Amino acid sequence: GQQLNQSPQSMFIQEGEDVSMNCTSSSIFNTWLWYKQDPGEGPVLLIALYKAGELTSNGRLTAQFGTTRKDSFLNISASIPSDVGIYFCAGQYGATNKLIFGTGTLLAVQP
Amino acid sequence: DTGVSQDPRHKITKRGQNVTFRCDPISEHNRLYWYRQTLGQGPEFLTYFQNEAQLEKSRLLSDRFSAERPKGSFSTLEIQRTEQGDSAMYLCASSLSGTSYEQYFGPGTRLTVT
Repeated sequence: GQQLNQSPQSMFIQEGEDVSMNCTSSSIFNTWLWYKQDPGEGPVLLIALYKAGELTSNGRLTAQFGTTRKDSFLNISASIPSDVGIYFCAGQYGATNKLIFGTGTLLAVQP
Repeated sequence: DTGVSQDPRHKITKRGQNVTFRCDPISEHNRLYWYRQTLGQGPEFLTYFQNEAQLEKSRLLSDRFSAERPKGSFSTLEIQRTEQGDSAMYLCASSLSGTSYEQYFGPGTRLTVT
């Protein structure tokens, strides 16, 4: 099935470092969302973006809807051990209500 | 505020058996979605309901798969004649029509076909 390209695939960082990850598509999206998934659990919604250029924060997380509408970015500032997990971007396009998910970025934080 | 719940959390079955999973959405959400997630991949859309109407189905949803939402509340996903390739995490999500793109996921049902 169709999936969005996320990079990097994985990141291994020290506690306190900032993290950046991105998601790209060949198609234009109307909505971008970012989720975090812990092992054996369902994805948890972090941030939703609805407008090109929009910048939205949720605590230490900041996400942006790319101006081309084909990409999105997520930044995590001052990472902590509980940030560990897999981060997925997801996009919605056209008239469909389904979400297309990215391939995921695995984040590991060393205390 | 109760989130999306799914039952069972884990299911091990032998190839050829039928299995059924249940999803209870957030109570005021009228849209319900099923996704499938295999190891190392993001979730892939299977189907979605608005109230009791099934409005969209993926080509991933073969004839062996059927989903229902008879009263517009809970939903079931049945897989007939399971195959080893059906082994995956089956995720349910729900949303409100107005903010329909904000989908809230349940914990998933992990299916293992032996």
